[in-house]
Amino acid sequence: AQSVSQHNHHVILSEAASLELGCNYSYGGTVNLFWYVQYPGQHLQLLLKYFSGDPLVKGIKGFEAEFIKSKFSFNLRKPSVQWSDTAEYFCAVNPINFNKFYFGSGTKLNVKP
Amino acid sequence: EADIYQTPRYLVIGTGKKITLECSQTMGHDKMYWYQQDPGMELHLIHYSYGVNSTEKGDLSSESTVSRIRTEHFPLTLESARPSHTSQYLCASSEGGAVETQYFGPGTRLLVL
Repeated sequence: AQSVSQHNHHVILSEAASLELGCNYSYGGTVNLFWYVQYPGQHLQLLLKYFSGDPLVKGIKGFEAEFIKSKFSFNLRKPSVQWSDTAEYFCAVNPINFNKFYFGSGTKLNVKP
Repeated sequence: EADIYQTPRYLVIGTGKKITLECSQTMGHDKMYWYQQDPGMELHLIHYSYGVNSTEKGDLSSESTVSRIRTEHFPLTLESARPSHTSQYLCASSEGGAVETQYFGPGTRLLVL
């Protein structure tokens, strides 16, 4: 079965600190990759996605993610977090030609003002 | 913002009751999904649909059933609720294409006593 691993379950940072959240997946074929974010009390929403081309993908609110195929990883980064980034972040994998998405267990980010 | 709606948002119900969780989207998406999510865990796909009159079971076994009579509507039914059904249920839709993006509803938190 496919799996998506997010190793950091809970991250606490101060404002202006740099952020990197890990995501690894187990599928060996071609994949589309996503990061979703859920702010407190809100829907899950798309942060960024990768499907081909430049492995460094830029998303909303200054987030970016890098796809490293050899490591089956798609880590999320932000150079300087803000208090408003406090949320839960989910990595998701969509194997090409599969109508299914596989999600990680999420990472709760708490940014202290 | 995605136009996908779920009702009720919260439901507390006794064992043995029949319940239907509603999900509607106004984006005309063919594909719709139901996920089950427990705190600190991955989203698990329990049902999906490619279009009207098309439904499939997901990776996580579920005693629930779904129907897709109209494009915009994808209700989930539990014929006899049990405490093990206590969870959060998330509905999503996607437009299809080469790179699908899923749009999520706000979720229904179900507590079965």
